[in-house]
Amino acid sequence: AQTVTQSQPEMSVQEAETVTLSCTYDTSENNYYLFWYKQPPSRQMILVIRQEAYKQQNATENRFSVNFQKAAKSFSLKISDSQLGDTAMYFCAFRPGANTGNQFYFGTGTSLTVIP
Amino acid sequence: NAGVMQNPRHLVRRRGQEARLRCSPMKGHSHVYWYRQLPEEGLKFMVYLQKENIIDESGMPKERFSAEFPKEGPSILRIQQVVRGDSAAYFCASSPNYVFSTDTQYFGPGTRLTVL
Repeated sequence: AQTVTQSQPEMSVQEAETVTLSCTYDTSENNYYLFWYKQPPSRQMILVIRQEAYKQQNATENRFSVNFQKAAKSFSLKISDSQLGDTAMYFCAFRPGANTGNQFYFGTGTSLTVIP
Repeated sequence: NAGVMQNPRHLVRRRGQEARLRCSPMKGHSHVYWYRQLPEEGLKFMVYLQKENIIDESGMPKERFSAEFPKEGPSILRIQQVVRGDSAAYFCASSPNYVFSTDTQYFGPGTRLTVL
């Protein structure tokens, strides 16, 4: 069974500082995809960043980067130069590789507050 | 290119009534997924459809819930005889058509269902 765990229900960070959100997952698959989604108060789910498990290089999207540790099954999100608009729920998600289902498995989320 | 569209955004029903939730995928996408988000929880997979076919409904309750994605028109998630426990946010996601393209899902804004 695939499970995703986010152990930090709430976090806060000062504006312009850096924050790291944790995510671990459990799977027996070797090929899979990992994602971070952002859900602001509007409740829209917005894709922040994605990582293919077969790629060793950590994904980066502007101020967002991940630390992907495949052996440890860890996939943390680092937000640099935090902005007020980063305040949101952040969900880590796992998707098995091709031919093993298309559903996403989500963690329970981390509520991030950026403090002015 | 319009994103995934869902309507209504908010739906209020009394116990025993029917709820119909609609989802129009992004242009060029023919894979549709429905997820449910209960308060304070992450998204949980319900069903995966392609045009005129249900591919995976392993997350959908066996009774009262049904989903379809007709050849023409939006995907419909239908909940019959709603109960208070059905109150949740229902999200639709879509992914593109081409081979090995289903690794990323794009989410709609969700429908918040309230059962009185």
